[in-house]
Amino acid sequence: DTGVSQNPRHKITKRGQNVTFRCDPISEHNRLYWYRQTLGQGPEFLTYFQNEAQLEKSRLLSDRFSAERPKGSFSTLEIQRTEQGDSAMYLCASSPLGTRSSEQYFGPGTRLTVT
Amino acid sequence: AQSVTQLDSQVPVFEEAPVELRCNYSSSVSVYLFWYVQYPNQGLQLLLKYLSGSTLVESINGFEAEFNKSQTSFHLRKPSVHISDTAEYFCAVIRGGANNLFFGTGTRLTVIP
Repeated sequence: DTGVSQNPRHKITKRGQNVTFRCDPISEHNRLYWYRQTLGQGPEFLTYFQNEAQLEKSRLLSDRFSAERPKGSFSTLEIQRTEQGDSAMYLCASSPLGTRSSEQYFGPGTRLTVT
Repeated sequence: AQSVTQLDSQVPVFEEAPVELRCNYSSSVSVYLFWYVQYPNQGLQLLLKYLSGSTLVESINGFEAEFNKSQTSFHLRKPSVHISDTAEYFCAVIRGGANNLFFGTGTRLTVIP
């Protein structure tokens, strides 16, 4: 069990640029989640995949955000035309199916700074 | 809808003293409850969970939490803290069958030597 990994760990970008983050879940986990955490707050849910299907999206996920999990393994989160309000820590989590499906294991996060 | 309230944003405590971090939730349906810990410059780690069964759950590093349905609480306790326990602690809830965790705003525990 190598844990959830995320790349890059830090990203600084100028307003208006596009950015893409990658998440590699724990290998046997079918479920994958994206959350956003701003300073002084707890993580907030963005979206959820079961295998390659995106089954749930939060209202926080505006049209500028898109997430994919094309082969049911790694996932990418893209933000187009970044805004300063997008600055946050983006967290990925995964969980297995079955009785432990509610146990979400988090990666280290990608910290995005939009200047 | 679910919500989680962590009443204390910061808790300073001396080393070897006991500590309680409070968490209350609101939900009209049954829920699962979690405590996550975030050490400086690290990701969230699952500390302990309540899914069903015994209302008192324990972690491997001496923390425990008790699910109290009547008071809708899931407070985290440790009888004697160590310097290494300094971290941010998040309480989270998920409705049975749902997919997204709802987190509190976190409690920063600072252990003073």
